[in-house]
Amino acid sequence: SALSQPASVSGSPGQSITMSCAGTSSNIGTYDLVSWYQQYPGRAPKVIIYEATERPSGVSIRFSGSKSGNTASLTISGLLAADEATYYCCAFAGPNTQWVFGGGTKLTVL
Amino acid sequence: QVTLKESGPALVKPTQTLTLTCTFSGFSLTTSGMRVSWIRQPPGKALEWLARIDWDDDKFYTTSLKTRLTISKDTSKNQVVLTMANMDPADTATYYCARIPSKWNNEGAPDAFDIWGQGTMVTVSS
Repeated sequence: SALSQPASVSGSPGQSITMSCAGTSSNIGTYDLVSWYQQYPGRAPKVIIYEATERPSGVSIRFSGSKSGNTASLTISGLLAADEATYYCCAFAGPNTQWVFGGGTKLTVL
Repeated sequence: QVTLKESGPALVKPTQTLTLTCTFSGFSLTTSGMRVSWIRQPPGKALEWLARIDWDDDKFYTTSLKTRLTISKDTSKNQVVLTMANMDPADTATYYCARIPSKWNNEGAPDAFDIWGQGTMVTVSS
């Protein structure tokens, strides 16, 4: 994948976790158009962060995004069992390449 | 309420052309700034962006599949159609369509895939 994500992260209920999404100067480093998606098995992805730091209406404030240089991050605070899912980052990579996705991070809530 | 739904064959043979239709409601592709993309996901694997069509009929394709993909729209039917030629077993995947609003649409999550269809699974096998 064009963006690098850890294959898995884990945390206990109530804890906070942060997962990374490493890109390059051609995508994350140039554009703020980073989005994060939550996907449960057998379900379509759902956007939880857009423009690197913004939360869509209806998404819990426990989800927050940040960006520094060529890397974006997603933090989930106050982990719930319902947060166990796979999370994908996505970044705009310019008018020729358009969008690129990461390989996904599977979150396990212990 | 914005909804999108993909439809198409569940099984295609190698070398055949796949035609998928995304039928949507709750927004219009005649509205300045609105866009629709196709994204696929092979079983157990990551998402892959495929193509995008804009309100003004601009079209964009992923470089690796550009020669095989064609995206079009029928605004009277609120549909976006994706065709993929010369199908291969490696194209077996769930295919999703998704909406992308622009900032000036003042709705949804701009410049992100804010509403997705349920997806349609396509298997390529002889």
